[in-house]
Amino acid sequence: QVQLVESGGGVVQPGRSLRLSCAASGFSFSDYAMHWVRQAPGKGLEWVAVTSYHGSDKAYADSVKGRFTISRDNSKNMLYLQMDSLRLDDTAMYYCARDKSGWYGISEYWGQGTLVTVSS
Amino acid sequence: EIVMTQSPATLSVSPGERATLSCRASQSVSSNLAWYQQKPGQAPRLLIYDASTRATGIPARFSGGGSGTEFTLTISSLQSEDFAVYYCQQYNVWPLMYTFGQGTKLEIK
Repeated sequence: QVQLVESGGGVVQPGRSLRLSCAASGFSFSDYAMHWVRQAPGKGLEWVAVTSYHGSDKAYADSVKGRFTISRDNSKNMLYLQMDSLRLDDTAMYYCARDKSGWYGISEYWGQGTLVTVSS
Repeated sequence: EIVMTQSPATLSVSPGERATLSCRASQSVSSNLAWYQQKPGQAPRLLIYDASTRATGIPARFSGGGSGTEFTLTISSLQSEDFAVYYCQQYNVWPLMYTFGQGTKLEIK
């Protein structure tokens, strides 16, 4: 069965960096696009970024463009989100999600999330 | 950026009744529209994609409709486990930036 396990969250000061990881199993990781979606406490869902199955194509929400970088290592079945210049409003639960195909646009399977708190 | 607007913000319905949730896009997204369900403390779950296709394992009481800018999610006979928050999401090809609606909370009347 599809499993996605996020890690790397924690408390970080504004302006600092953090790298999130997502370990994938139960499917052929290199065949699927992957997404990061976040949810601020008590708020709705916000799509953050997507990478194609091969990792060459990526897209970002305006709110994180230029600060966050999505990447993947298909040899390790791992997805990453490098978050630089963190701001208070980046505080959220960050979910890793598998697309329906190499690049479809929907999040078919989700992990349980990792919490990032940006605080001074 | 395409803005997704869901209505109502909260919907109160009795078990066994029908619920209809709406989602409007600020510009046409064709049929590139998905619906997700989220219960407290849980990750979201995909219900519907391509506006009207049920995802794997989703009961037939969930149905989606619409195209262009106006979409609906209908739950034909509400079960206790259906009370949750529902989000729509567009995944149009351009601009390449997927956006969610703000959510509709479906609560027990």
